[in-house]
Amino acid sequence: RKEVEQDPGPFNVPEGATVAFNCTYSNSASQSFFWYRQDCRKEPKLLMSVYSSGNEDGRFTAQLNRASQYISLLIRDSKLSDSATYLCVVIPGGSYIPTFGRGTSLIVHP
Amino acid sequence: DGGITQSPKYLFRKEGQNVTLSCEQNLNHDAMYWYRQDPGQGLRLIYYSQIVNDFQKGDIAEGYSVSREKKESFPLTVTSAQKNPTAFYLCASSTSSGGSRETQYFGPGTRLLVL
Repeated sequence: RKEVEQDPGPFNVPEGATVAFNCTYSNSASQSFFWYRQDCRKEPKLLMSVYSSGNEDGRFTAQLNRASQYISLLIRDSKLSDSATYLCVVIPGGSYIPTFGRGTSLIVHP
Repeated sequence: DGGITQSPKYLFRKEGQNVTLSCEQNLNHDAMYWYRQDPGQGLRLIYYSQIVNDFQKGDIAEGYSVSREKKESFPLTVTSAQKNPTAFYLCASSTSSGGSRETQYFGPGTRLLVL
């Protein structure tokens, strides 16, 4: 089983839709979780950290489910500019080196 | 503005040639990292450094070498031993190596192509 797994997609949604991605991780002792956004041929950029209590930033909501070992990202009211690849990042227990998922591709169309 | 710079943006390598990718940061970060990304793939760790004059191999270090003589600089050399070097190379840094919540900040990347 891979350490961090994501559905590669693509998720093809119309503007205004709500879309959610999940990311599963294998190390139950993992402590830190993040979502990064990567545009085509660009570097990844931090979108948001994921806290145990869940967190929200505008149209974006991230949640952590430790029992089932997954994190999720919910995007409400999708914009064309949200089209990108979303990378799940987990720092395994006992390490400070992050493990990246392969990413989930989102395409928002008019 | 503080940030991470990488150069060049594009780099062409001939067979048997060593090439060096530059990475500089002015964020005063202790830890620096090099990743390789192939099309449709995730990031794979090549080397990382927690402190000046010290670095460790990542998951795919074969055919690569690094140095960390200054806190702000972490150059990566792709040697002729790396048989499939064509990829997107990303440098990153973080504030420290000990915190569990340290996020990484990335440079704009270098695309390496083999002639």
